[in-house]
Amino acid sequence: DGGITQSPKYLFRKEGQNVTLSCEQNLNHDAMYWYRQDPGQGLRLIYYSQIVNDFQKGDIAEGYSVSREKKESFPLTVTSAQKNPTAFYLCASSRLTTGELFFGEGSRLTVL
Amino acid sequence: QQQVKQSPQSLIVQKGGISIINCAYENTAFDYFPWYQQFPGKGPALLIAIRPDVSEKKEGRFTISFNKSAKQFSLHIMDSQPGDSATYFCAASMENNAGNMLTFGGGTRLMVKP
Repeated sequence: DGGITQSPKYLFRKEGQNVTLSCEQNLNHDAMYWYRQDPGQGLRLIYYSQIVNDFQKGDIAEGYSVSREKKESFPLTVTSAQKNPTAFYLCASSRLTTGELFFGEGSRLTVL
Repeated sequence: QQQVKQSPQSLIVQKGGISIINCAYENTAFDYFPWYQQFPGKGPALLIAIRPDVSEKKEGRFTISFNKSAKQFSLHIMDSQPGDSATYFCAASMENNAGNMLTFGGGTRLMVKP
């Protein structure tokens, strides 16, 4: 089945540690995105990429980094510089020509 | 700047009733307005979408009403069922050189009581 796979589903991290969230898609989509979801704040865009080896900052990129070495993969690193990293992180993909986003099931990060 | 404002934040409806969620946008260049449905612990999924050349779109029990002059659009869920209990997000985007970037509303948590 085609879709987006995020891992891990749950992750605990100590303060000061970097953590990388995985996102893989087999939909052959060019564009991939990372969103952060906090209660009552909707979905906020962290980073997006429309082509391999290129990516752009979203609205809340500070404290995060990404890479796009393969079309299928768009990992997100939450660095120790992110002041409030506890959140639900969603990866999505889309064709370049349509607005429909396809989401993964999310990764819940908790900083202890 | 919040470009898409969604209300209410939460909504409780009796089974069989009508659920109404409203969104207002500021950017008149927006030309694509989708609604996403999210169940707990899952990612959002596209429910229904509309473009501004029509004022209404219906798919089953779900209807989008669009008012271009007021810059508002709403989701109506007819004959609401407990299985409709979820968080709903409106969104908007426009065609530009960077592709279709969706701006989301803050979400509405809907509970349908049996």
